[in-house]
Amino acid sequence: AQSVTQLGSHVSVSEGALVLLRCNYSSSVPPYLFWYVQYPNQGLQLLLKYTTGATLVKGINGFEAEFKKSETSFHLTKPSAHMSDAAEYFCAVTIRGQNFVFGPGTRLSVLP
Amino acid sequence: DAGVTQSPTHLIKTRGQQVTLRCSPKSGHDTVSWYQQALGQGPQFIFQYYEEEERQRGNFPDRFSGHQFPNYSSELNVNALLLGDSALYLCASSSWGTSLGSTEAFFGQGTRLTVV
Repeated sequence: AQSVTQLGSHVSVSEGALVLLRCNYSSSVPPYLFWYVQYPNQGLQLLLKYTTGATLVKGINGFEAEFKKSETSFHLTKPSAHMSDAAEYFCAVTIRGQNFVFGPGTRLSVLP
Repeated sequence: DAGVTQSPTHLIKTRGQQVTLRCSPKSGHDTVSWYQQALGQGPQFIFQYYEEEERQRGNFPDRFSGHQFPNYSSELNVNALLLGDSALYLCASSSWGTSLGSTEAFFGQGTRLTVV
């Protein structure tokens, strides 16, 4: 079975600072990995995904993530935080044909 | 192109009652999955429907049941509501044929269910 851990339930950064949200997964077979963002009272919006190929994936709104198999990690980064990035971020794992398993989420606050 | 639509957006029910939530998948998608997101937590998988059959099920009691219609829309039914069923219920649509339903899913805005 797959599982996801997200270190840090709440992360605060200053506007313009680097954003780093951590995600580690557990999977017995090569996984597909995703980052979703959720704004208050909204559904989930896909930021980026890794399925196969290049391990550094770029997503929307300037976010990117790197799949590191040796570390079983898929950390999300953005070079410069913007106020509009404040939201809840979820890392998710799946294997082909199976449902998504989500992490507990990390709330990102961006300070002026 | 309409995305995933869910109805209603908010719902208040009393303990012991039954509730039905509805989902229309994104155009071109044939697979619908339901997730429960309790406050402050990540979404938890309830079940998945394809070709009008339940294909996978998470760790939820039989009080949670579903249905998929020929037009691919889906319903989630919860019987004998408990206070702990209060949550945001998310519907996700995907395409079974091109990806076995798991390389990407589009989520609706959710239905906020409050049980009092």
